[in-house]
Amino acid sequence: DAKTTQPPSMDCAEGRAANLPCNHSTISGNEYVYWYRQIHSQGPQYIIHGLKNNETNEMASLIITEDRKSSTLILPHATLRDTAVYYCIAGPMKTSYDKVIFGPGTSLSVIP
Amino acid sequence: ETGVTQTPRHLVMGMTNKKSLKCEQHLGHNAMYWYKQSAKKPLELMFVYSLEERVENNSVPSRFSPECPNSSHLFLHLHTLQPEDSALYLCASSQDFLKTGQAFFGQGTRLTVV
Repeated sequence: DAKTTQPPSMDCAEGRAANLPCNHSTISGNEYVYWYRQIHSQGPQYIIHGLKNNETNEMASLIITEDRKSSTLILPHATLRDTAVYYCIAGPMKTSYDKVIFGPGTSLSVIP
Repeated sequence: ETGVTQTPRHLVMGMTNKKSLKCEQHLGHNAMYWYKQSAKKPLELMFVYSLEERVENNSVPSRFSPECPNSSHLFLHLHTLQPEDSALYLCASSQDFLKTGQAFFGQGTRLTVV
């Protein structure tokens, strides 16, 4: 699985768009980019995933660069409830028991 | 609600106790997972079950013993744990085990070993 790199923390003003970057320069052609988030003391929540094209759902948008080496998760109107750790993962996460599946992620703080 | 339910939510156990964590999903998924999340560490995948069969794992200590009696239920049996096993234990499920990236997680069991 490709390694991903994310900034450790970010702040975003409430109501503004939160843009969370992820670098996955070693991603291979059949690997997807997945985003999860984990609100404190809760289980991770799936957000969105994509392969090549940009994707949008009710939670967020995912913008993947043409060379697929990086992507950005966009929360269009951040609320206080979006404060969480956001994980970018390049999969597929298959069968091997690699210890680290989710990296450190980006801790997003939405500020009133 | 994600459709994945874990019980209990909190558990305190002594090092000589035997306890079990339970996970239940009624999403029609064929794959279920146990993850461990220690304080300030990333999630660690412990076990994967696909169609009720465990995928080989070599790295988790034998004091953790999973059981998957059917596609909707997953257990993690615990015995003679150590204090360093205190962590949040998360169960997840996905349509099949090749699509772990679309897994749905439970709320977790906060385990404290004393």
